[in-house]
Amino acid sequence: TQTVSQSDAHVTVFEGDSVELRCNYSYGGSIYLSWYIQHHGHGLQFLLKYYSGNPVVQGVNGFEAEFSKSDSSFHLRKASVHWSDSAVYFCAVSLNSAGNKLTFGIGTRVLVRP
Amino acid sequence: AQTIHQWPVAEIKAVGSPLSLGCTIKGKSSPNLYWYWQATGGTLQQLFYSITVGQVESVVQLNLSASRPKDDQFILSTEKLLLSHSGFYLCAWSQVTYEQYFGPGTRLTVL
Repeated sequence: TQTVSQSDAHVTVFEGDSVELRCNYSYGGSIYLSWYIQHHGHGLQFLLKYYSGNPVVQGVNGFEAEFSKSDSSFHLRKASVHWSDSAVYFCAVSLNSAGNKLTFGIGTRVLVRP
Repeated sequence: AQTIHQWPVAEIKAVGSPLSLGCTIKGKSSPNLYWYWQATGGTLQQLFYSITVGQVESVVQLNLSASRPKDDQFILSTEKLLLSHSGFYLCAWSQVTYEQYFGPGTRLTVL
């Protein structure tokens, strides 16, 4: 069984700051990783994914994430946050691409102050 | 472009009453479909998934059931609501598991 952990429940940054949100997973085999964003009261929006290849992947709105097999991590980063980036960010893992189980972390709530 | 619609937007229901929530996807044929439940301030718990019409798999038992009567429609229901059913219900579609696209959600309050 795969698990995913997000060690930071809350992160507060100022507009223009950089931010890194941490995600670690536990599973011995190949794994599919993704990040989602949820603004208050809305559904989730897909940000980016990784399965293989270049360990740094680019997503929407300036987000990128870096996969590390040695650290079992898939941390999300943004170089300069905007107030609209205030939201909850979920890391998710799946063991396959063929349509069944996606496991989400508990989420990291990001507050961007002006 | 694909669109995903959920109905109703919100419901307030009594304990013991029935429930039916709906989800429709337009612009995508034969998508994988999913139902999730999210407690207030919590993470997402996958409830059901479906890879084809008439076929639904349960991921977790919460006294809920799901059906896929059409390729573009996914229904979540129960005969008797519990207090613990309160929360935010999200429908999603995908072509691959790890890249899912979510609807706006339905807020359910059970009193």
